[in-house]
Amino acid sequence: DARVTQTPRDKVTEMGQEVTMRCQPILGHNTVFWYRQTMMQGLELLAYFRNRAPLDDSGMPKDRFSAEMPDATLATLKIQPSEPRDSAVYFCASGLGRSETQYFGPGTRLLVL
Amino acid sequence: RKEVEQDPGPFNVPEGATVAFNCTYSNSASQSFFWYRQDCRKEPKLLMSVYSSGNEDGRFTAQLNRASQYISLLIRDSKLSDSATYLCVVIPPLVDYKLSFGAGTTVTVRA
Repeated sequence: DARVTQTPRDKVTEMGQEVTMRCQPILGHNTVFWYRQTMMQGLELLAYFRNRAPLDDSGMPKDRFSAEMPDATLATLKIQPSEPRDSAVYFCASGLGRSETQYFGPGTRLLVL
Repeated sequence: RKEVEQDPGPFNVPEGATVAFNCTYSNSASQSFFWYRQDCRKEPKLLMSVYSSGNEDGRFTAQLNRASQYISLLIRDSKLSDSATYLCVVIPPLVDYKLSFGAGTTVTVRA
C-alpha cells in the first residue's frame, strides 16, 4: 500500500532556528503539494511541483520559506528563520494526473516557541 | 468572501441517524467539487467526488446545486466510525491543480 511519507512527524524548535521538513511522494506520482493547516486558516496551499518543477509558490512567505525537489523521491520545505506564527501542521501530498486525487502524508506538526 | 464556506458544526448525532450538511462556494465558474474526510490528528483523504447529477457511495450521498452554488453531503445510518471532519473542496476555473478547501464540518456520532 503506497503512501506519502513525511519526516519529522513532530518538531519543536525555538524562534529563529531553521526547520527542514521532508516528504517522499508515492513512487511514480508527478505532482507534489505542500500545505499548511491551522485552526484559524484551515488548509492552505504553499507550493506545487509538477515533474519536479515549481509551478506555484504564491502561497508561501518568500522571505523565510523555500521549497525544493532535489529528485523525484524527495521534496523539502524549509523555514529560516522560524517564527511562532509558523506553528502548524504541514502536509505534503502527491498525485498523478488529475489534481483532486491527492494523497496526503501524515503531516509534520511544528511548534515554534 | 471566502472561496469555500462550511458550517463548522459540530453535528452530534446518534448511531443510525441521518446527518446532512452543506458547503457554499463563491466562484460560479468552478467546475469540480469533492468531499474529503479528515480524522482527528490525521491527514485528509478523498471521500468522494460530486457530480452534477449527484452521486452515491454506500451510505454517503453528495449533491451539487449550481444555481445556489452549494454542495451537500448526506450520511445515512451513521456509524461511530463516521466521526470526522468533512472538508468541502472546490477547484476554481483555469487552475486545475489548486484545491480550495473549506474549513470543515465536524461530525460526531455517539453510541
